[in-house]
Amino acid sequence: EAEVAQSPRYKITEKSQAVAFWCDPISGHATLYWYRQILGQGPELLVQFQDESVVDDSQLPKDRFSAERLKGVDSTLKIQPAELGDSAMYLCASSQVRVHEQFFGPGTRLTVL
Amino acid sequence: GQSLEQPSEVTAVEGAIVQINCTYQTSGFYGLSWYQQHDGGAPTFLSYNGLDGLEETGRFSSFLSRSDSYGYLLLQELQMKDSASYFCAVPTGRRALTFGSGTRLQVQP
Repeated sequence: EAEVAQSPRYKITEKSQAVAFWCDPISGHATLYWYRQILGQGPELLVQFQDESVVDDSQLPKDRFSAERLKGVDSTLKIQPAELGDSAMYLCASSQVRVHEQFFGPGTRLTVL
Repeated sequence: GQSLEQPSEVTAVEGAIVQINCTYQTSGFYGLSWYQQHDGGAPTFLSYNGLDGLEETGRFSSFLSRSDSYGYLLLQELQMKDSASYFCAVPTGRRALTFGSGTRLQVQP
């Protein structure tokens, strides 16, 4: 069964360092999402791509976060510099036509020290 | 904007039935989804209601009343493996999901 791949699974970094997360969606899924989930809360959208175009990045802290999906397939989310408050699970998801059914990757657990 | 309210925690025993409620306020409504997330795991899709009424998928059912801005997830014949967090979610006009804060279900033997 096709799955969304993410790496790394865990990342520990010090504040002010740069970190990057990678996501490979299910083949054929045009829409890709990055969510951030703080422990005990629901996921919150950071950025949404349709193919290689950004559809919604209104909640992305653009002074330190960037995201790209250059060829409309895999995607990278970067944080520079990382802050203590960025410690969270970063989830990537993809969807096809059934927008209410999104497929999530295993996530990257980020800890900023 | 969108906001969803659901109970923070529910406890039930194996074999029982539990209902997790969700009320929502949205600027536009495109349906209500439910996701399950085990500790340390990724959210997985359970059910979707685009229209009023009940949708059944095995032991899980989901209900929607658009006039009441209310839905629920019903879990029957509870098993220990059902212990997880359950999120209701609504798609925005741009197709991303807005999630509730989640209901942690603890199933006891």
